[in-house]
Amino acid sequence: DAKTTQPPSMDCAEGRAANLPCNHSTISGNEYVYWYRQIHSQGPQYIIHGLKNNETNEMASLIITEDRKSSTLILPHATLRDTAVYYCIVRFSIQGAQKLVFGQGTRLTINP
Amino acid sequence: GAGVSQSPSNKVTEKGKDVELRCDPISGHTALYWYRQRLGQGLEFLIYFQGNSAPDKSGLPSDRFSAERTGESVSTLTIQRTQQEDSAVYLCASSLGPRRSAETQYFGPGTRLLVL
Repeated sequence: DAKTTQPPSMDCAEGRAANLPCNHSTISGNEYVYWYRQIHSQGPQYIIHGLKNNETNEMASLIITEDRKSSTLILPHATLRDTAVYYCIVRFSIQGAQKLVFGQGTRLTINP
Repeated sequence: GAGVSQSPSNKVTEKGKDVELRCDPISGHTALYWYRQRLGQGLEFLIYFQGNSAPDKSGLPSDRFSAERTGESVSTLTIQRTQQEDSAVYLCASSLGPRRSAETQYFGPGTRLLVL
């Protein structure tokens, strides 16, 4: 799987949009961009994924650049409960175990 | 619908005892993963089940660790003769299984194991 680079930490005010960047310059054409988060003492939570097009669901939006070398996760109206470590992963689906490997991620703190 | 559930949520045991951890995957998910996460660390893959195929046990750290899965339902992870270094959160995840498109894993809340 391609390597990703994320800032180690970010702060955002409650109610504002949180924009979390991720660089994946070595991504290949069939690799998806995934985002998970892990709130303290909880299991990882799936947020969103995409291949080429921008995606939106009830939790977040994912913006992928045209060259697919970077992406941004957007939490449109951050709340205190969004404080967590956010992981950006790139991977493609092959036969066999899809072992998830999280990097250091971005520790997002939402401030009141 | 119901997500992945795990039990117990917490387990304290004495060194040398055996423990059994349980995972109930999302209904219809053919793939099931066990991971371990030590305090402040990333995920460590342990074992993978996919349908009726032979499990991928490549991540099990020693022969004290074993896991079973009945069909496409419940899985149990057993740790025999526990050691203090086994203390960690044990996470279970399930997914619809490998496919040509993306495969999303959904995690349970984990079992926090403490070996005294």
